[in-house]
Amino acid sequence: AQTVTQSQPEMSVQEAETVTLSCTYDTSESDYYLFWYKQPPSRQMILVIRQEAYKQQNATENRFSVNFQKAAKSFSLKISDSQLGDAAMYFCAYSNPGTYKYIFGTGTRLKVLA
Amino acid sequence: DAGVTQSPTHLIKTRGQQVTLRCSPKSGHDTVSWYQQALGQGPQFIFQYYEEEERQRGNFPDRFSGHQFPNYSSELNVNALLLGDSALYLCASSGTGGGRYGYTFGSGTRLTVV
Repeated sequence: AQTVTQSQPEMSVQEAETVTLSCTYDTSESDYYLFWYKQPPSRQMILVIRQEAYKQQNATENRFSVNFQKAAKSFSLKISDSQLGDAAMYFCAYSNPGTYKYIFGTGTRLKVLA
Repeated sequence: DAGVTQSPTHLIKTRGQQVTLRCSPKSGHDTVSWYQQALGQGPQFIFQYYEEEERQRGNFPDRFSGHQFPNYSSELNVNALLLGDSALYLCASSGTGGGRYGYTFGSGTRLTVV
């Protein structure tokens, strides 16, 4: 069975600095999708960035980028120029074409210090 | 453009009772998934509905059931409530392509069982 592990329960970053959130996963599949979702106090899960396993190039979305290491089964999220609005829970999620469900990690709480 | 809307936002029920939660998917989406998020945990997949049929189910007992209507809206029913059913219930929708491109989530219903 696939699993997703986020080993950092909480991280802090100074405003305007860069922070990296870690995620590892376990799967025997070769084709799959990975996601980072943000959950602010409003509770709505917001898609931050996605990566398809067959694509070598790391995904980027403005200040957000990933470091996807397929062999190591690692999928970290880098947030550059951190802003106060980035403070939230961040969840890593896995899915593959043979299923419709997402498997989420336990989340990392990001605090942004002014 | 309305996103995913869920009702009610909060609910308190007594152990043994039954509850119905409602979800309207984002405009243009035809697939609805339900997730349970216990406090301090990542969301857990309950089931997904497509074309008014349950397409996939997670590891939840039969007390959890659902329905999808012709207008794509959906209900989650939980019978014989247990204290452990207290959680945030998230609804997520998608269009063609399913979860490959990321689901759109609602803000959830906070269910408290006393």
